[in-house]
Amino acid sequence: GAGVSQSPSNKVTEKGKDVELRCDPISGHTALYWYRQSLGQGLEFLIYFQGNSAPDKSGLPSDRFSAERTGGSVSTLTIQRTQQEDSAVYLCASTQTGPKRSPLHFGNGTRLTVT
Amino acid sequence: DAKTTQPPSMDCAEGRAANLPCNHSTISGNEYVYWYRQIHSQGPQYIIHGLKNNETNEMASLIITEDRKSSTLILPHATLRDTAVYYCIVRGDDYKLSFGAGTTVTVRA
Repeated sequence: GAGVSQSPSNKVTEKGKDVELRCDPISGHTALYWYRQSLGQGLEFLIYFQGNSAPDKSGLPSDRFSAERTGGSVSTLTIQRTQQEDSAVYLCASTQTGPKRSPLHFGNGTRLTVT
Repeated sequence: DAKTTQPPSMDCAEGRAANLPCNHSTISGNEYVYWYRQIHSQGPQYIIHGLKNNETNEMASLIITEDRKSSTLILPHATLRDTAVYYCIVRGDDYKLSFGAGTTVTVRA
């Protein structure tokens, strides 16, 4: 079946511009995550959505970052006034929730380069 | 604080079994052990997870010690396409997955 889809796969933007990154989770998955991975580094948690609950935004690095999830499905991560340190791969993951702690399924990410 | 400890790198011969160790000495009773891998330029790929019992699927086997303080991921017949960074993760009620540095596995012909 279809996995997690992210678009665009690559994005080059100028410093100071805003960017929007999109994530289409696996159908029926109620939980959605955004992570960030800088070059050669591990994954950094950004934000978590679960159903209609308030999202956990504790990982967002600054107020230039925001995310929304419309209709419990597609999610958009927005970065305003991009800075060079925002350059990274932004990964989205989705999962079902339940007592067996279903695994997260990741997309292939959006590689953001801020020039 | 790191919940798991993995060797930074290891080599494996193609066609042989690859045994990837992970220490999680502070694991608590309700925490699962998960394994993911990340091939260059791709998102992390789920491999397997377990709580107490050994687990096997089409990709790998997971052996968890009786005291649950360590585990081993076994790739039974490594291929060149198994070259990747392998992450061992402990996950409890916290819905977040915390990824450490993982083990860089290089499969050599």
